[in-house]
Amino acid sequence: DAKTTQPTSMDCAEGRAANLPCNHSTISGNEYVYWYRQIHSQGPQYIIHGLKNNETNEMASLIITEDRKSSTLILPHATLRDTAVYYCIVRVANYGQNFVFGPGTRLSVLP
Amino acid sequence: GAGVSQSPRYKVAKRGQDVALRCDPISGHVSLFWYQQALGQGPEFLTYFQNEAQLDKSGLPSDRFFAERPEGSVSTLKIQRTQQEDSAVYLCASSLALSGANVLTFGAGSRLTVL
Repeated sequence: DAKTTQPTSMDCAEGRAANLPCNHSTISGNEYVYWYRQIHSQGPQYIIHGLKNNETNEMASLIITEDRKSSTLILPHATLRDTAVYYCIVRVANYGQNFVFGPGTRLSVLP
Repeated sequence: GAGVSQSPRYKVAKRGQDVALRCDPISGHVSLFWYQQALGQGPEFLTYFQNEAQLDKSGLPSDRFFAERPEGSVSTLKIQRTQQEDSAVYLCASSLALSGANVLTFGAGSRLTVL
């Protein structure tokens, strides 16, 4: 699986948009971009995933650059409950392929 | 059940004891993964099952670690002769074996502390 690079930590004001970047410059054509987050003392929680096109769901939006070498997770109106570690993972679309987690980005939403 | 259930949530063991951690995946989920998460680190892959078959155990750190899923549903991760370095949160995740992108659903984890 391609390696991803994320900032170690970020702060965001409550109510503002949180934009979390991820670099995956060696991504292959058949690899999806996934985002998970982990709130303290819980297991990782799925947020969103995409291949080429931008995606949006009730939790977040995923913007993937045209060359697919980077992406941004957007939480449109961050709340205190969004404070967590956010993991960006690239992975082939094979159900037997495990998810390789890096250290992630620790997002702190400040009041 | 509605989600992935793990038990016990917390386990304290003396060094040298054997421990068993249980995972109840979402009903009907074919794939099951175990991960180990040390304090302040991201989860690290241990092993993968498709139904009852253990297809990948490349992440198991030593032969003291053993996992099984005999009937293709509940899985048990067993650690023999526990060492202090085994202290971690052990996460279980399951997914439907669909073609294309699939999503893992994680349990809350079992926190093991070895004294």
